[in-house]
Amino acid sequence: AQSVTQLGSHVSVSEGALVLLRCNYSSSVPPYLFWYVQYPNQGLQLLLKYTSAATLVKGINGFEAEFKKSETSFHLTKPSAHMSDAAEYFCAVSENNQGGKLIFGQGTELSVKP
Amino acid sequence: EAGVTQFPSHSVIEKGQTVTLRCDPISGHDNLYWYRRVMGKEIKFLLHFVKESKQDESGMPNNRFLAERTGGTYSTLKVQPAELEDSGVYFCASSPLRGSAAGANVLTFGAGSRLTVL
Repeated sequence: AQSVTQLGSHVSVSEGALVLLRCNYSSSVPPYLFWYVQYPNQGLQLLLKYTSAATLVKGINGFEAEFKKSETSFHLTKPSAHMSDAAEYFCAVSENNQGGKLIFGQGTELSVKP
Repeated sequence: EAGVTQFPSHSVIEKGQTVTLRCDPISGHDNLYWYRRVMGKEIKFLLHFVKESKQDESGMPNNRFLAERTGGTYSTLKVQPAELEDSGVYFCASSPLRGSAAGANVLTFGAGSRLTVL
């Protein structure tokens, strides 16, 4: 069975600092991995996805994530945080290329301090 | 294009009452999913429609939940009778039937319907 673990339910960074949100997964098959973001009162929005084409995946708003099979990780990073990055971030895994039946992590709320 | 629309955005009902949540997917999206996030927990899959057919309903909690998608367009999720533990945010998502050439298909989510059962 697949599972996703996000380390840290709350992460706080200063504006301009590095953002690192951790995600580890468990999967018996090659996974499809996703990061979604939810801004207040909005739906989940796809940040980026890993589908085995490249281990370093670049997404929207300057975010990127690196797939590390040996560590079963898919951490999300952004070199310099902006106030507008404050939101809740979700890592998810899908066992097939339809990407529909997602298994989500618990979510990480990112706060950005001025 | 219009996104995934969910109604109501927030519903407050008493235990034992009935609530119906509605989801309008993106036009032309044959895949429609329901997910739920109970307070403090992860978002969990409830079920998947392909057009009007239930493809996978393995995540439905119990028989108090009934999902329909008549005509393969909008979908409803009815909870009857509602219990306290049904409180949470119900998300709907849709995607095209065929995945992208690059790999996994991408879901477009609605803003969710928050259900509070008192």
